Amino acid sequence: QVQLVQSGSELKKPGASVKVSCKASGYTFTSYAMNWVRQAPGQGLEWMGWINTNTGNPTYAQGFTGRFVFSLDTSVSTAYLQISSLKAEDTAVYYCARSYCGGDCSQDYWGQGTLVTVSS
Amino acid sequence: QAVLTQPSSLSASPGASASLTCTLRSGINVGTYRIYWYQQKPGSPPQYLLRYKSDSDKQQGSGVPSRFSGSKDASANAGILLISGLQSEDEADYYCMIWHSSALVFGGGTKLTVL
Repeated sequence: QVQLVQSGSELKKPGASVKVSCKASGYTFTSYAMNWVRQAPGQGLEWMGWINTNTGNPTYAQGFTGRFVFSLDTSVSTAYLQISSLKAEDTAVYYCARSYCGGDCSQDYWGQGTLVTVSS
Repeated sequence: QAVLTQPSSLSASPGASASLTCTLRSGINVGTYRIYWYQQKPGSPPQYLLRYKSDSDKQQGSGVPSRFSGSKDASANAGILLISGLQSEDEADYYCMIWHSSALVFGGGTKLTVL
């Protein structure tokens, strides 16, 4: 069965970096795109962008350029989200979600989410 | 003005039907968009429900009951998620989404209470 398993919660200080992992299983990793979605506490969903798992080419949504990096390790079917220079407003649950395409497609499977808390 | 606007909350009774709307910003024609719907329960990731553009371009998510269906109201420039035969387990947040200007855009979500 398809599963996306994300790394555990993180508590970081402002200015630090964090790397969230999303390990896929139950399907061919490179046959689907991987999206990243943010959900701040008590707030709605915000699409951060996606990464082409064939080419490794990332696409970042407006507001998620510069400090946010999507990457892959296809040998272990894992996608990564790295956030640098963390700010308090980066406190959120981060989800990975696969989609058949990088664009006008549904996200049919989601990871369980990773809570990143930024606090001094 | 937000691209997608959803009512913040909606209440309905068990066994009744609930119609959740997703209104597109003026100037964005609902007829040209696929509208995706997701359900999110507290402490869980979103779950894909369905996609609706037209009766010939629609998709039900895997395992999603047929009592969840999509439609559009062109006069209101809105997408609609209809949930019939409401059950207590349908109590959740519901989000709509479209692909607009090369980005996925979510609505703010509707909290559905079944009571």
